[in-house]
Amino acid sequence: EDKVVQSPLSLVVHEGDTVTLNCSYEVTNFRSLLWYKQEKKAPTFLFMLTSSGIEKKSGRLSSILDKKELSSILNITATQTGDSAIYLCAVVGEYGNKLVFGAGTILRVKS
Amino acid sequence: ETGVTQSPTHLIKTRGQQVTLRCSSQSGHNTVSWYQQALGQGPQFIFQYYREEENGRGNFPPRFSGLQFPNYSSELNVNALELDDSALYLCASSLVGRGRNNSPLHFGNGTRLTVT
Repeated sequence: EDKVVQSPLSLVVHEGDTVTLNCSYEVTNFRSLLWYKQEKKAPTFLFMLTSSGIEKKSGRLSSILDKKELSSILNITATQTGDSAIYLCAVVGEYGNKLVFGAGTILRVKS
Repeated sequence: ETGVTQSPTHLIKTRGQQVTLRCSSQSGHNTVSWYQQALGQGPQFIFQYYREEENGRGNFPPRFSGLQFPNYSSELNVNALELDDSALYLCASSLVGRGRNNSPLHFGNGTRLTVT
């Protein structure tokens, strides 16, 4: 059964800090790994990483996929209070029609 | 470009009742997926609809059923509600095309269902 584990479960940092969120996975026939940010309700898409695109960057956020270690990290530099959210990692495997999510990392950025 | 919209936003039902949740997919998307998110957990896949047919199902009992309409909108029906069905129900749409990778899922704001 496909599985995603995220760590840490929660994190409190101060504005300006850099954070690294971790995601490890077990999946049959890996297709892609996705990161989402969930503030109140709708998870919003951040990045999709595949075998042909193992590193993505957008502003202060960046993500790397390590296919050998079956893991990914999400980095946020110069954190702001608006970064406070739940960060969800998900993988797409053999069937290609579903995301398997981890439980998420709760990030709180204090001013 | 309109995003994914869901209705209603909140709903309170009694154990044993039935509920219907609705979703309009993002324009240009042809696939709708439903997820259940219990408090403190990540979303769990319920099922996906593509071309009005179920295209994969997660570990949910048959009392969870769905429909997709020709305009790609969708409904999630849950019969014989149980207390554990209380959760945020998320609808997501994407574009599936032949010979191309699926686009990332785009989620709606969800329906918060409380079963008492």
